[in-house]
Amino acid sequence: GQQLNQSPQSMFIQEGEDVSMNCTSSSIFNTWLWYKQDPGEGPVLLIALYKAGELTSNGRLTAQFGITRKDSFLNISASIPSDVGIYFCVSGRNRDDKIIFGKGTRLHILP
Amino acid sequence: DAGVTQSPTHLIKTRGQQVTLRCSPKSGHDTVSWYQQALGQGPQFIFQYYEEEERQRGNFPDRFSGHQFPNYSSELNVNALLLGDSALYLCASSSGQGIGEQYFGPGTRLTVT
Repeated sequence: GQQLNQSPQSMFIQEGEDVSMNCTSSSIFNTWLWYKQDPGEGPVLLIALYKAGELTSNGRLTAQFGITRKDSFLNISASIPSDVGIYFCVSGRNRDDKIIFGKGTRLHILP
Repeated sequence: DAGVTQSPTHLIKTRGQQVTLRCSPKSGHDTVSWYQQALGQGPQFIFQYYEEEERQRGNFPDRFSGHQFPNYSSELNVNALLLGDSALYLCASSSGQGIGEQYFGPGTRLTVT
């Protein structure tokens, strides 16, 4: 079945560093969404991408929809403590297709 | 403007029992999706309701059923509960069928003993 492969599974970084994570699949998708989830809460939408090649920013966050439509990446610049959490990529092909979550990238910031 | 709300917050049930979880979508949204999130895992898509009908379904057995009301709110029902059904159940609302910008509620934590 369709799967989204997120990497890395976890990251340990220093405050102020830039972060890069990605999501790949063997299937072609029409939409990529990036979410962040804090412990005990529901995921929060960060960025939505709808066109191949699209590059979108939201503050310190930047995400791109891969040209092949099989991948997407999320970058966080100048990380701060509140960036700690789990980042999920989410995708789907069309109105009639189920929605798929990646397994998540866990971001830790070292003191 | 209220976001997505879910009730109850926590629930403890016994194996074999039935449970109903409730979700009210964000104002202006007409679509509700349900997800199951086991501890340490990503959310798994259960199904999506649009125009009071189930439109897409993930790999979940028929014990999982749902309903959408004319005011767009939704219920998730799980029959014959198993220990493995213990999880955080998330509801997300969006505008229109399919994958769109989904806004999640805080979830209902279900524990089956």
